[in-house]
Amino acid sequence: QKEVEQDPGPLSVPEGAIVSLNCTYSNSAFQYFMWYRQYSRKGPELLMYTYSSGNKEDGRFTAQVDKSSKYISLFIRDSQPSDSATYLCATEKQGAQKLVFGQGTRLTINP
Amino acid sequence: DSGVTQTPKHLITATGQRVTLRCSPRSGDLSVYWYQQSLDQGLQFLIQYYNGEERAKGNILERFSAQQFPDLHSELNLSSLELGDSALYFCASSTRQGLNEKLFFGSGTQLSVL
Repeated sequence: QKEVEQDPGPLSVPEGAIVSLNCTYSNSAFQYFMWYRQYSRKGPELLMYTYSSGNKEDGRFTAQVDKSSKYISLFIRDSQPSDSATYLCATEKQGAQKLVFGQGTRLTINP
Repeated sequence: DSGVTQTPKHLITATGQRVTLRCSPRSGDLSVYWYQQSLDQGLQFLIQYYNGEERAKGNILERFSAQQFPDLHSELNLSSLELGDSALYFCASSTRQGLNEKLFFGSGTQLSVL
């Protein structure tokens, strides 16, 4: 079983829709949670990070963590074609010095 | 542009060969990470260096090795290549090491082993 599970999709939605991307993790030692966005032929770039359970908002993006159920979500409001990319969740635990990534979900926003 | 430079962008080679991938971190970043991305395994951590010293090791094969030089650039050496080594190899850098460091990724080297 992978430490971080993420549905690879692909996910295709119309422009303006609310997008929900999700990951689950198995190890309760994970403390930091991140979302990276990866455009085609590019490296991942950090989109959001959070430490505690709850919501963190940044513009059209909201990251949500539920440590009790080991569930991570990213919501994108008013989705735009420029949001079309692969979204990877990532987690990190104390002393590990490495990020553990989910498989990535390929998202397409259709105009 | 993340500021992390990886060369070459593409590499095509044959089984059994040896290749070297190069990474120049962002100016001022001391930490370098190597990741492998494949369709079936996703993004897998290989190894991390901090200021020239190895600091963490992930699922890196014995056929693979890396080092970080005094000028902080890093090289990933892959030897006795197999078909399954075909993947996208990313380098990332960060200012320091430790929890919650923001990683900046390069654009990757696409390795094709034929």
